[in-house]
Amino acid sequence: EAGVTQFPSHSVIEKGQTVTLRCDPISGHDNLYWYRRVMGKEIKFLLHFVKESKQDESGMPNNRFLAERTGGTYSTLKVQPAELEDSGVYFCASSLLTRAVEDTQYFGPGTRLTVL
Amino acid sequence: SQQGEEDPQALSIQEGENATMNCSYKTSINNLQWYRQNSGRGLVHLILIRSNEREKHSGRLRVTLDTSKKSSSLLITASRAADTASYFCVTKDGSARQLTFGSGTQLTVLP
Repeated sequence: EAGVTQFPSHSVIEKGQTVTLRCDPISGHDNLYWYRRVMGKEIKFLLHFVKESKQDESGMPNNRFLAERTGGTYSTLKVQPAELEDSGVYFCASSLLTRAVEDTQYFGPGTRLTVL
Repeated sequence: SQQGEEDPQALSIQEGENATMNCSYKTSINNLQWYRQNSGRGLVHLILIRSNEREKHSGRLRVTLDTSKKSSSLLITASRAADTASYFCVTKDGSARQLTFGSGTQLTVLP
């Protein structure tokens, strides 16, 4: 069974440009999450989808970030315009729709974003 | 400060030795999990322990949880060079599904 995949693995852009990250969850996983680790800090939650609906987007830093999951399959995270402080590793995770206490999230390899 | 704080931040041991990492957290939790991240790779789920459990084993891994002290430990026995990675203590509270990560322990196992 394929795991969570993310594309691209690495993106280098200039400040002010737009970047779109993609995540393909494990097939059949209704829960999809985005996390990020910036500037050597802890990995932080960004948002959570259940199928195509945003369940919790409390971790989104500002309105330059837009996440979508049309059709409830893959998800995209767009940063527009990108700023220097957005540099970091963006992780995607997915899990089955189980009770929260048993929820095990499976992570992708991450996308390393570098904003120059 | 962060929900999960690992101790030590870095640990270097010889192959075959045991490695113990500790984690402290602040709020009440639903469960506690440990993840591993090899350099440049994704996060791999290792083990989950529920708030009503005290100890759990999985292969060479042993996790303990003390909710009265809000602490957990991860023991890796008979370590191997391939165990070299960053280990994260991850908590989840209440009915929320978001995970809260600690800063991680960098484990280096020398051959």
